This record gives sequence, C-alpha cells and structure tokens, in this order.
Amino acid sequence: AQRVTQPEKLLSVFKGAPVELKCNYSYSGSPELFWYVQYSRQRLQLLLRHISRESIKGFTADLNKGETSFHLKKPFAQEEDSAMYYCALSAQGGSEKLVFGKGTKLTVNP
Amino acid sequence: NAGVMQNPRHLVRRRGQEARLRCSPMKGHSHVYWYRQLPEEGLKFMVYLQKENIIDESGMPKERFSAEFPKEGPSILRIQQVVRGDSAAYFCASSPPEGATYEQYFGPGTRLTVT
Repeated sequence: AQRVTQPEKLLSVFKGAPVELKCNYSYSGSPELFWYVQYSRQRLQLLLRHISRESIKGFTADLNKGETSFHLKKPFAQEEDSAMYYCALSAQGGSEKLVFGKGTKLTVNP
Repeated sequence: NAGVMQNPRHLVRRRGQEARLRCSPMKGHSHVYWYRQLPEEGLKFMVYLQKENIIDESGMPKERFSAEFPKEGPSILRIQQVVRGDSAAYFCASSPPEGATYEQYFGPGTRLTVT
C-alpha cells in the first residue's frame, strides 16, 4: 500500500531561519514525489516534483530512496512562505492518483 | 485560462438529500480527478476519469457515490442520500492528455455540509 507521512502538523520558524518539512513514504515500486502548497485563500498548487530536480521559490527536495524520504528544505525562510504544505506520491508517472500526506502548516514569524 | 472551476463552492444538504458537485477542467485537459478532504486530514483520492470513461474508482465508497465525465459538459460527482460523515471538502483536479506534463491542477474545492 502507498502511504505518505508528514510527522509535523505545525512548524513555526523565524524569518531568515532554515526550514525543513519532513516527508516519508511507503511504496514498493519507483514512486514519483511531489510537494504541493496551499497559501491562505488560494487553491492547492504544485511547488516542485522530484523528477525535475529544480529549485522553486528557494525550496529544494531530494528523494532519498534508502530512507524513503522527500524532505522539503529552504535555507532562509520568508514570511510569504507561510502556508500549508502537502507531500504527495504517485505510483506511475504522475498521471494517476496522488496519495497525500496530512500536511504541515508552516508559519514564518517576523 | 480560468483554471479548474468547481461549483458550487459551498453546499448545504440535509441528511437523505442528494448532492451534485461540478468540475470544469482546464481548457485542453481531458483527465479529471476527484479528492475528498475530511477535517484534519490530507486529500484522499476518490476517482480518476477521462472523457466518458472511469479509469480508476478505487477510492470511491461502494454505495451512494458516483462520478461521470461526459463528452460535453463538466464532470459530476454525485452523492445520494447524504449522511453527516459526507461533510468534507471535495477537490477536483485536471491534467493534460498523456505525453504532456502530468501535473494535476486543482480547483478551489466544494465544501459540503450535511445537517
């Protein structure tokens, strides 16, 4: 069975501090991993996906198959990063269903 | 491109009534997905449809729930004889045909309240 775990429901950091949102997954095959973000009063949107290996808004995430993790990191958090962050997994190329974690609410304090 | 549209945004139904949730995918998208989010939970997959076909309904409850994506018009998620446990936010997402990016674009959601 596919499962995504985000152990932190809430995460609070100060502006300029590093931030890491944890994501662990369970899947026997080769998954595709995503981070989605939902800013206040906005719809859910894709932040980044592991296959593209790019940095978006200063965020990066590396897929660690040995630890089955896909943690999201940013070296210097900004107030506008405050949002709900969801880690998601897709079993086959991203064209099918996404399995979501429960989400982490990030608050960046001034 | 207006993005994925969902209506209504809020829907209140009494127990036993029917709920119909509509989703218009982005222009050019032929794949639609429905997800449900219960309070304090992540989004849970319900069903994946292409035009006139249900591709994967492994997340749909066996009774009272149905979905369609007709050749013309929006995708419809239908819940018959609603119960209090159906109260949730229902999200629709769409994606382009195979061969393009598989990114799913989400609608704003419909918040269903069953009284």
